[in-house]
Amino acid sequence: DVKVTQSSRYLVKRTGEKVFLECVQDMDHENMFWYRQDPGLGLRLIYFSYDVKMKEKGDIPEGYSVSREKKERFSLILESASTNQTSMYLCASSLLPEDGYTFGSGTRLTVV
Amino acid sequence: DQQVKQNSPSLSVQEGRISILNCDYTNSMFDYFLWYKKYPAEGPTFLISISSIKDKNEDGRFTVFLNKSAKHLSLHIVPSQPGDSAVYFCAARAYSGNTPLVFGKGTRLSVIA
Repeated sequence: DVKVTQSSRYLVKRTGEKVFLECVQDMDHENMFWYRQDPGLGLRLIYFSYDVKMKEKGDIPEGYSVSREKKERFSLILESASTNQTSMYLCASSLLPEDGYTFGSGTRLTVV
Repeated sequence: DQQVKQNSPSLSVQEGRISILNCDYTNSMFDYFLWYKKYPAEGPTFLISISSIKDKNEDGRFTVFLNKSAKHLSLHIVPSQPGDSAVYFCAARAYSGNTPLVFGKGTRLSVIA
């Protein structure tokens, strides 16, 4: 089974901090995605990547950036954390862009 | 513009009865549909899918129905169990190209014992 591992389950950060959320998958998947989940808003796509060094903006990229230096690792960066970025962050990977995704367990980020 | 809509934010069902979760879509380019289940503090897990060339797919207690003319799909869970209580997301993909899955906002199902 594909495993998608997010480094932290829970994080508390201060406003203005630079925050790194790490995601690693172990099945050589080309495609990786970052979503956030908020009540009543569902899953919203932040960024995605179809290849190493490649990145595409999703629906809500503002305030975020990503890094994909290696195929198995996709990092989400909050350049200057704000309270409205308090959310559940979910990483996913897939073999083909249109395949079903395998999700990580999520990181619950609280910005205070 | 919401391409995948789950109009019911929540649903409560008695244990043993049928749960029906609905999903509507607007993009006629969608050719594959998936349902994901999510428990609190966990990532979504794949539940069942259906291709647009079919109108029904069944897996144990879970059945998904697709009505292409109405651009509507539904997930039936029979019989419902307390462990089915979760948020269910409908997702769709477009065959036209390199685009990510599009998710609905989810429906929270509560199965009452």
